[in-house]
Amino acid sequence: KAGVTQTPRYLIKTRGQQVTLSCSPISGHRSVSWYQQTPGQGLQFLFEYFSETQRNKGNFPGRFSGRQFSNSRSEMNVSTLELGDSALYLCASSFGWDRGQLAKNIQYFGAGTRLSVL
Amino acid sequence: GNSVTQMEGPVTLSEEAFLTINCTYTATGYPSLFWYVQYPGEGLQLLLKATKADDKGSNKGFEATYRKETTSFHLEKGSVQVSDSAVYFCALSVGGGSNYKLTFGKGTLLTVNP
Repeated sequence: KAGVTQTPRYLIKTRGQQVTLSCSPISGHRSVSWYQQTPGQGLQFLFEYFSETQRNKGNFPGRFSGRQFSNSRSEMNVSTLELGDSALYLCASSFGWDRGQLAKNIQYFGAGTRLSVL
Repeated sequence: GNSVTQMEGPVTLSEEAFLTINCTYTATGYPSLFWYVQYPGEGLQLLLKATKADDKGSNKGFEATYRKETTSFHLEKGSVQVSDSAVYFCALSVGGGSNYKLTFGKGTLLTVNP
């Protein structure tokens, strides 16, 4: 069974540009979450999508947005890039069931997209 | 809010040494607890989990026990190998549905020397 696939693996952009990152979840998984990893702030939650709806959002500015398609694939967009957006962006997928199925709500991570903003 | 505190690294051990990485948490509600591992240049892999008090998660020789009374989930391994060198993250999740997300500790870099 294929794992979580993130593309591209590496990106180099300049300040002010925008970028789109893609995540294909494990087959059957309907929940996709995004995290930002930086040396200073560690791993921070961006948002989570379930069945094409954003269910939960972290404390990031509106420049960070996402969407999910009917096949559960997800994209994350960052507009007007800043130097501080340089990070590893990780996507995680799970079945995303509600309470009562929490024991099965394990998130599986992709290898990440390394974004460098110059 | 929810938070995870894990011991600062880096931790450097010799092969076959005993490993402990401390993790404590604060949570509103009854969390599930996880240890994830990140090898260089890779994403996170789930190492083990526990979903209720006194549960012991174990995998690849690593163990951690969910201690509700001390709000802790310390990671242990009796004999580390060079291949265990990685960054280890303690994490929790509370509830489901609209509250479904992982809260991570800062990570602990483990280096095992031959």
